[in-house]
Amino acid sequence: QSALTQPRSVSGSPGQSVTISCTGTSSDVGGYNYVSWYQQHPGKAPKLMIYDVFKRPSGVPDRFSGSKSGNTASLTISGLQAEDEADYYCCSYAGKYVLFGGGTKLTVL
Amino acid sequence: QVQLQQWGAGLLRPSETLSLTCGVYGGSFSAYYWSWIRQPPGKGLEWIGEIHHSGSTYYIPSLKSRVTISVDTSKNQFSLKLSSVTAADTAVYYCARVTGSGTYYFDSWGQGTLVTVSS
Repeated sequence: QSALTQPRSVSGSPGQSVTISCTGTSSDVGGYNYVSWYQQHPGKAPKLMIYDVFKRPSGVPDRFSGSKSGNTASLTISGLQAEDEADYYCCSYAGKYVLFGGGTKLTVL
Repeated sequence: QVQLQQWGAGLLRPSETLSLTCGVYGGSFSAYYWSWIRQPPGKGLEWIGEIHHSGSTYYIPSLKSRVTISVDTSKNQFSLKLSSVTAADTAVYYCARVTGSGTYYFDSWGQGTLVTVSS
């Protein structure tokens, strides 16, 4: 099993939108609607932002949205704010195991 | 609101056994799965494995021969043991609660424990 593929970095200015992709295979991302996304600030534990592809936990701003097409899932952050600058990881259930993406560093310019 | 508090040795010699425990405070223990995830310095997250309330365990194939996850339901704790560690096992180790069964995500995390393997 290989890690899911994410871009190493993305950037955007305050108020803009950015999208982070997460590509897997039909055995993980494409095979289950169990994709989740985590935000991690330096030195902190990851925080759940999206689960089941597009669902938001209570307390997560609706600026964060998720989607999936085939073997690729996406996280879109609209109305970028300075506090959104962090690392983002996708995650997919894959049957007997779980895969994370390599992580994407979001820079708010 | 559930809280996960983890503890264990932070410095190991090569070939020793890593041992970490995670205490679960608040919320139901039996209704969830319990997982360990690690993150090497400057790198991404890696799922190590999980244990279900039934006692069933699942491990990442690359570590399966060295990993044991166990649970003590009387104390609401679960533990990780990783044998024969090497420098490649140096990482921050997180415990996490899994909401599974018709879904799958990690909704609560421990604070993380940096484990360094060095001679």
